[in-house]
Amino acid sequence: ETGVTQSPTHLIKTRGQQVTLRCSSQSGHNTVSWYQQALGQGPQFIFQYYREEENGRGNFPPRFSGLQFPNYSSELNVNALELDDSALYLCASSFRTGEFSEQFFGPGTRLTVL
Amino acid sequence: AQRVTQPEKLLSVFKGAPVELKCNYSYSGSPELFWYVQYSRQRLQLLLRHISRESIKGFTADLNKGETSFHLKKPFAQEEDSAMYYCALRGSQGNLIFGKGTKLSVKP
Repeated sequence: ETGVTQSPTHLIKTRGQQVTLRCSSQSGHNTVSWYQQALGQGPQFIFQYYREEENGRGNFPPRFSGLQFPNYSSELNVNALELDDSALYLCASSFRTGEFSEQFFGPGTRLTVL
Repeated sequence: AQRVTQPEKLLSVFKGAPVELKCNYSYSGSPELFWYVQYSRQRLQLLLRHISRESIKGFTADLNKGETSFHLKKPFAQEEDSAMYYCALRGSQGNLIFGKGTKLSVKP
């Protein structure tokens, strides 16, 4: 059984560009959540995907969007990058039945916006 | 509002001393609370959840609804306990709401 993986590990972009981050769920998991962790802060919920549909969203603007694929892997897309988007982006997967279950985190993607 | 507060950024103790990492929450309804830990160069991982009421690596946490607290305790700290600790609350969307974290440093 493999854990949650994320790519790339690090990324540098300039303001106004677009970025795509990728996440592979842990085997058997059907739900993916994305979090943004700014320096010195706890992770903040961006959104969650369940069975390929957005299933919950935090207080992030529409330029943060995502996808979940049939194999339950996921992408986070950020358009029109701003300096404040510089952060560690964490992906977490879980197996959702009728009740909520433990979220397993990936190692994160460090995004720097210049 | 759903919120988690960890008042201490850094907690430094000596090996063998008791440890208490504070966590307070704001949530209307029945809360589900967790402690996550991140060791150096490792990913965030679940340490314990209040529902299971178990002790992991000697750590315990009791939910106090009257004081809206979920403090993490260990009677005798070990050097390997040095890490970032995050208290988290299950939000209404099934997401996790994290505090800012407390860095625990256990000195020899």
